[in-house]
Formats: sequence, C-alpha cells, structure tokens
Amino acid sequence: DAKTTQPTSMDCAEGRAANLPCNHSTISGNEYVYWYRQIHSQGPQYIIHGLKNNETNEMASLIITEDRKSSTLILPHATLRDTAVYYCIVRGNGGTYKYIFGTGTRLKVLA
Amino acid sequence: DSGVTQTPKHLITATGQRVTLRCSPRSGDLSVYWYQQSLDQGLQFLIQYYNGEERAKGNILERFSAQQFPDLHSELNLSSLELGDSALYFCASSVGTVTGELFFGEGSRLTVL
Repeated sequence: DAKTTQPTSMDCAEGRAANLPCNHSTISGNEYVYWYRQIHSQGPQYIIHGLKNNETNEMASLIITEDRKSSTLILPHATLRDTAVYYCIVRGNGGTYKYIFGTGTRLKVLA
Repeated sequence: DSGVTQTPKHLITATGQRVTLRCSPRSGDLSVYWYQQSLDQGLQFLIQYYNGEERAKGNILERFSAQQFPDLHSELNLSSLELGDSALYFCASSVGTVTGELFFGEGSRLTVL
C-alpha cells in the first residue's frame, strides 16, 4: 500500500474552510484515498473516500489531483467540533489488506 | 453509534496478568481489525480477520493473539502484561477485506499497574 505524508498540525479559524493536504506520490491505479478523523480518544470516524474523481458528502469534499499523487480534504465551514486528528490513507485492490494509519494532521479550529 | 461494540470499556490489571478484549462487528460486516493506541501515539495496526480467517498481521506481539468466531465476533487476548501494554485498543469492522470504510468501536482502555 502506498505511503502518505501529511503536515503534523494546522490551525483554522472557525467558520472558514479547512484545507488538509495529503501527499501519496506512490499511489497505484487501483488504490483509493480514504480520510478519517479522531476526536480526542474516540474511535476514528470515516469521512470520505475517492479513486480519481472529486467527491463530496455532507461532511467534506475530497479533491484529488489529476495525477493522483496528492489530495486535499476540505471542511467547508470549520467548527470547534472539527478539532481532531485527520488521517489520510491509501488502500485498495492489490494491497496486503493492511489498513495503516499514519500520524495524521492535528487540526485545531480556533474561535 | 458505529454499530461496533467493544467490551470492556475500561480494564485495570496488574503486570503478568492476562486479559481478553471482545469486539462485536456491525451486522453484516465480515472483516474485523484490531488497533492499539498508546498515549498520544498513532493507531498501530495489530491484526485483521475476514470471516474467521486471519488476513493480515501488523506489529502484534507474540504475547498477543486474536481470533474471530463463527458468529463473527472477535477476541484479542493479551498475556504476560507489561506496563507498556497500557493503551486504548480499538476494534473496527468492514464489509469486505480490501475496499470499503472501517467502522470503529469506542475502544477498550487497558491500564496495567
């Protein structure tokens, strides 16, 4: 499975869009990009995933570059409750079944 | 509520002891994953089962073992416990083996004194 690289931490003002980048330059054609978040010590929560097209759901938008080597998770109007660690994971067919979480990005939403 | 149930929520025990953590996956999910999260650390993948069979193994110590039963619930057994085993242990489930999102339980917090 491809490795991912994320910034260690980011701040975002409440009400503004939070843009969380992820680099996955070794992604293969059949691997998906997944995003999860973990609030405090709760169980991680699935946010969104995509293969090559941009995706949007009620929580966030996922923008994947045309070469698929990087992606950005967008929280359109961040609230204090979005303060969490955000994990970007690459996984898909042909992998070794492992679902590996990296160190993630610690997002702090500021009032 | 993710639909994944973990018991117990909290457990305090002594070094050298043995404990069993239990996970009931979401209805219909065949895959179960176990993760360990020590204080302020990331999620460490331990092991994955699919429909009763082991499918992937991560950094799981030899003192730890797991299994998935015919009713699809899973147990993680931790033996000869050491202080460093104190951590949150998460279970997650998914429908398949490779693609599809994971649904996590609320975790079992183990404290070894």
